[in-house]
Amino acid sequence: LAKTTQPISMDSYEGQEVNITCSHNNIATNDYITWYQQFPSQGPRFIIQGYKTKVTNEVASLFIPADRKSSTLSLPRVSLSDTAVYYCLVGDQGAGSYQLTFGKGTKLSVIP
Amino acid sequence: GAVVSQHPSRVICKSGTSVKIECRSLDFQATTMFWYRQFPKQSLMLMATSNEGSKATYEQGVEKDKFLINHASLTLSTLTVTSAHPEDSSFYICSAISQAGPEQYFGPGTRLTVT
Repeated sequence: LAKTTQPISMDSYEGQEVNITCSHNNIATNDYITWYQQFPSQGPRFIIQGYKTKVTNEVASLFIPADRKSSTLSLPRVSLSDTAVYYCLVGDQGAGSYQLTFGKGTKLSVIP
Repeated sequence: GAVVSQHPSRVICKSGTSVKIECRSLDFQATTMFWYRQFPKQSLMLMATSNEGSKATYEQGVEKDKFLINHASLTLSTLTVTSAHPEDSSFYICSAISQAGPEQYFGPGTRLTVT
């Protein structure tokens, strides 16, 4: 399973765009990149998943360069409620092996 | 969206007793369920993978005789912490994958405190 590296923490003011980058140099050909959000004492919540290029949904965008050795989660116009830990995970979810290895995550603090 | 529930949400037990935690997929059938443990200010650590109708696969360092997992149906998996000790106090989270796959849906977690 590919290991991921993220910044331990980030601070942002309300209304700003936040970009969290994750490094996954050993990503395998079949690996997908998935981001989860976790609030204290709650289970993780799926944010977005991608394989290459750019993926966008109603809450975030995920940018993946051609070499796929990193990815960037972009949260537009964050609010106080976006304060949480964000995890980047890579794993082969296309061949029946769905194991996800959680790294340390990035603690995002949104400041009013 | 798919919903996974856990029961109880919090439990306090005395050292030496056993505790059962249930994980249910409410609106989908889960072919695979995972159990994680999370200590304060740490990341989730995978404990075991549970497939319906078969024995669970435990991660290295996780005692299968202490953490009993039963995945008896496509909507229910249970984790029993046997002879619990204070060091077993943690946040236990389950997740489930539907037959459609591949997204994992996480439960809300169960806070176990062993006194």
